[in-house]
Amino acid sequence: DGGITQSPKYLFRKEGQNVTLSCEQNLNHDAMYWYRQDPGQGLRLIYYSQIVNDFQKGDIAEGYSVSREKKESFPLTVTSAQKNPTAFYLCASSKGLASTGELFFGEGSRLTVL
Amino acid sequence: AQSVSQHNHHVILSEAASLELGCNYSYGGTVNLFWYVQYPGQHLQLLLKYFSGDPLVKGIKGFEAEFIKSKFSFNLRKPSVQWSDTAEYFCAATVYNQGGKLIFGQGTELSVKP
Repeated sequence: DGGITQSPKYLFRKEGQNVTLSCEQNLNHDAMYWYRQDPGQGLRLIYYSQIVNDFQKGDIAEGYSVSREKKESFPLTVTSAQKNPTAFYLCASSKGLASTGELFFGEGSRLTVL
Repeated sequence: AQSVSQHNHHVILSEAASLELGCNYSYGGTVNLFWYVQYPGQHLQLLLKYFSGDPLVKGIKGFEAEFIKSKFSFNLRKPSVQWSDTAEYFCAATVYNQGGKLIFGQGTELSVKP
């Protein structure tokens, strides 16, 4: 089935460690996004990529990094510089720009920093 | 700063009651507007969207939303809710010439009592 696969679903990390969340899509979508979801704050945009080998910072990019080496993959690294990394992370993709179409979301990855 | 605001964090209704969830945005230019829904344990999915034309848009499952430009609002409505409408609802907006950046509101949790 076509869709977005995020892994792992649950992840625990010690303070000071970097961790990478995987996001793969087989929808042949050009654009991909990472959002962070916290209770009462909705979804906040971390990074987005409209084309391979290009990406832009969202509203809360500090402490995060991404790469877009392949169309179908957009991994997110949560670095030790992220002050409050415990959150639910959502990856999404869209065929064209977010302004013109629907975003398709993965099931999410819940990161807990111990 | 550009933002999307949702008025209610948690709404509790009985079945058959009417629903209206508020959404306001702060962009000054042309905007595209969306409502997404997250049912318990499921992916976020698109409920409806407004790009232009008739300001009253209809979505899935009997939902509709009205774009009122003078009030910068895009409220979601349903005449008669069902228990299965229990979910979290997110309003989102993107500015026409900032195609990659979709901004979400804080979300409204709707609980429908049977």
